[in-house]
Amino acid sequence: ETGVTQSPTHLIKTRGQQVTLRCSSQSGHNTVSWYQQALGQGPQFIFQYYREEENGRGNFPPRFSGLQFPNYSSELNVNALELDDSALYLCASSPQGRAYSYEQYFGPGTRLTVT
Amino acid sequence: AQSVTQPDIHITVSEGASLELRCNYSYGATPYLFWYVQSPGQGLQLLLKYFSGDTLVQGIKGFEAEFKRSQSSFNLRKPSVHWSDAAEYFCAAEHNNDMRFGAGTRLTVKP
Repeated sequence: ETGVTQSPTHLIKTRGQQVTLRCSSQSGHNTVSWYQQALGQGPQFIFQYYREEENGRGNFPPRFSGLQFPNYSSELNVNALELDDSALYLCASSPQGRAYSYEQYFGPGTRLTVT
Repeated sequence: AQSVTQPDIHITVSEGASLELRCNYSYGATPYLFWYVQSPGQGLQLLLKYFSGDTLVQGIKGFEAEFKRSQSSFNLRKPSVHWSDAAEYFCAAEHNNDMRFGAGTRLTVKP
């Protein structure tokens, strides 16, 4: 059974640019959640996708957007990057729509640095 | 506002000693509660979760946690810490699709 994978591992972007981060869910999981973890802080929920539809969103501006594909893999897109977007971005998958009621399996994260 | 608080930023314990990591939550209703562990460069791994029922929950790696409604707490414990337990520990709570994490407690284990 393959776990949650994320790509790339590290990324450096310039303020104002756009970035796309990718996540492959664990086999059999149809729900994906994205989190932002700033240095020294706990993860903050960005949004969740269930069967290709957004199923919940945290307190993040619209320039944070996402997609989920028929194979349940997912993308996180961030437009107009700001310095404060520098963080570890975590993807988590789970097998049910109500993701938080069940175990979430986290990927290793993508470290984004905005200069 | 809903929040999760971990009062201890950093804890150091000797190998073989007992451990207790504190977690308090502030929610209108009792949320689902979780403890995760994060090793350097790794994602989060679920240690245990509480939904309802028995207030003492057993998890992986010898960890347990006790839910105390009167204190709005969900403290994590381990009777004997191993050097491999050194990591960052996060308490989390979820209610109505609103999932929040504490800021984490970093555990250092002395030989």
